[in-house]
Amino acid sequence: SYELTQPPSVSVSPGQTANITCSGDKLGDKYVSWYQQRPGQSPVLVIYQDMKRPSGIPERFSGANSGNTATLTISGTQAVDEADYYCQAWDSRTGVFGTGTKVTVL
Amino acid sequence: EVQLVEAGGGLVQPGKSLRLSCAASGFTFSIYWMSWVRQAPGKGLEWVANIKQDGSEKYYVDSVKGRFTVSRDNAKNTLYLQMNSLRVEDTAIYYCAGLNSGDWHFDFWGQGTLVTVSS
Repeated sequence: SYELTQPPSVSVSPGQTANITCSGDKLGDKYVSWYQQRPGQSPVLVIYQDMKRPSGIPERFSGANSGNTATLTISGTQAVDEADYYCQAWDSRTGVFGTGTKVTVL
Repeated sequence: EVQLVEAGGGLVQPGKSLRLSCAASGFTFSIYWMSWVRQAPGKGLEWVANIKQDGSEKYYVDSVKGRFTVSRDNAKNTLYLQMNSLRVEDTAIYYCAGLNSGDWHFDFWGQGTLVTVSS
């Protein structure tokens, strides 16, 4: 079965840039979405189709996808961005989530 | 305002059954693929099942095939998940989500309902 691997944790200082990677076989051939989940809340879409931002998502969130790796970048990270982040892709009609990354804003 | 409200969770013994429902409002339910996603306590997200707009196509994660059945009633704007032969490892918060089939991403999510499988 298809797998997506993320680093368990990323630490970043306020105002700095956080990069969260998501690795999978030929992931660049698929569309990747990213979801933010704050403690006790439901996930929220922050990036879809590799790099598109839904309305209401701040411009500091951006995405890229090439080769075997997709990346979510948070520029000028704020305390409110502290959360778990999951990448997600489709293998045929079967959904796959990444292992998840906890972003800590120190 | 888009709303997805799950119901039906609770404590159930291993081997028993449970049916979850998800009531949708604020969007045209019948034009959306719908999904179930679960999250075990302290763990990550796991996709469980998809159902096409008219119910003609359904897809499941391997671990629930043959035990879970996803269905929908477009007249009632409601999504269902029938869970049979429940196992301890099915313990999780179950979310329903609206799937944008144009770009294949989850547009919106419910608040989730907790299913606990324990003797």
